Amino acid sequence: AQSVTQLGSHVSVSEGALVLLRCNYSSSVPPYLFWYVQYPNQGLQLLLKYTTGATLVKGINGFEAEFKKSETSFHLTKPSAHMSDAAEYFCAVSDQTGANNLFFGTGTRLTVIP
Amino acid sequence: EAQVTQNPRYLITVTGKKLTVTCSQNMNHEYMSWYRQDPGLGLRQIYYSMNVEVTDKGDVPEGYKVSRKEKRNFPLILESPSPNQTSLYFCASRLRPGGLDEQFFGPGTRLTVL
Repeated sequence: AQSVTQLGSHVSVSEGALVLLRCNYSSSVPPYLFWYVQYPNQGLQLLLKYTTGATLVKGINGFEAEFKKSETSFHLTKPSAHMSDAAEYFCAVSDQTGANNLFFGTGTRLTVIP
Repeated sequence: EAQVTQNPRYLITVTGKKLTVTCSQNMNHEYMSWYRQDPGLGLRQIYYSMNVEVTDKGDVPEGYKVSRKEKRNFPLILESPSPNQTSLYFCASRLRPGGLDEQFFGPGTRLTVL
C-alpha cells in the first residue's frame, strides 16, 4: 500500500531563507507523487507532481521537488521564502488503482517570519 | 470560470439531524471525490466516483453516503450526524478517473455537529 510521511507539522523560516519541507513515501510500485498547497480558508491547489522521467520537478511559485528513489523521498524546496508562501503544504501519493486516488500526508504548516 | 462549488460553506447542526452538503463542478470531469480534513490527520478520502452512477468507498466512509446521478453533482449525505463528524470537508474533481492531472478542490465546508 502507498503512504506518505511528512516530517514536521510546523516549519518556520525567515523571509528570503531557504524553504525545505520533507516528505517520505512508501510504495510497492514506482510512485506518483504530488505536492499541494492550501492557503488560509481555501481549498488545495497543485504545486507540482512527479510521475516519470526527470527526477527534479519544477512547480508554480518557484517551488521544486526532487524524487530520490534511494531515499524514498520527495522533499519540496524553494530558494527564497516570500511572505505569500505562508500556507499548509501536503504531500500525496497515488494509490495507482484504476481511480488513482490520492493519499495525503498530515501536512506541514509553513510560517514565514518578516 | 472553471470551478468546484460547495454549499453550504459553514453549517452548525445537532446530532441526528440529516444533512446534505452539495458539490458541483462545471468542468465536465468524470472523477469526483470527498475528503475530510482534521488537525494532525491531513485529508482522508470518504467516497469517490469515477463516473455517473459509479461510486466507491474511500478510507473513512462510515456514517456517510453519496450519490452521482449527474456528472456535475456529487452530494455528500450524513443521515444521522454525530459529533465525531465535526470536520472540514472538501469536494474535488479531476478530468479522468485514472488520470494524473490536477485535482481541483472546492472551498470547503466547515461542519460542526453538536
